Amino acid sequence: EIVLTQSPGTLSLSPGERATLSCRASQSVRNNYLAWYSQKPGQGPRLLIYGVSNRATGIPDRFSGSGSGTDFTLTISRLEPEDFAVYYCQQYGGSPETFGQGTKVEIK
Amino acid sequence: EVQLLESGGGLVQPGGSLRLSCAASGFTFSNYAMHWVRQAPGKGLEWVSLIGGTDSNRKYPDSVRGRFTISRDNSKSTLYLQMNSLRGDDTALYYCAKSDCGDSGCYVKDHWGQGTLVTVSS
Repeated sequence: EIVLTQSPGTLSLSPGERATLSCRASQSVRNNYLAWYSQKPGQGPRLLIYGVSNRATGIPDRFSGSGSGTDFTLTISRLEPEDFAVYYCQQYGGSPETFGQGTKVEIK
Repeated sequence: EVQLLESGGGLVQPGGSLRLSCAASGFTFSNYAMHWVRQAPGKGLEWVSLIGGTDSNRKYPDSVRGRFTISRDNSKSTLYLQMNSLRGDDTALYYCAKSDCGDSGCYVKDHWGQGTLVTVSS
């Protein structure tokens, strides 16, 4: 099973700042099958990015994904108030698919 | 608009059974693979099961294989999860999620429900 480790655990930033979230895999993720989701309290997760760098429908271009192999990054170029949430990475190149433990982006 | 509405959660004793349902609308249900994903209180996400839309294959992680069964009724646009031999570590919010494609190799989840809470306790 591929273990995903996200860092940092919590990111304290102000609106307008840049957020950089990391996701490291215990082994190489096949075919770059790596996605990112956000989750707000009391809601189901929301797909942001799939295939490392492809934005899902309706996701603004301030969200971008990058990386390959075992190291992946989600960048939010300028934080909007609605972006404060918990972010999870998911790999679906290995069986079973697995999720990281999450990074909370909170208002500083 | 895609909508997924889970139901059937509740309190159950260890060793008991429960069946969850997910009513889907806003898309052609039979064309898409569907998943169950759970989240223990204050914890992260854990994939629980998958059923293909175009191939109806079913997949499970080791943690639930042999105890949980995923199924679907395309005529009712409804997804199910039959959970048997429940344990305390099955306590979680269970989400229904739609895949972005049809077969059992589809793992990207482009829509999620709000979840239904399962509590396993004596």
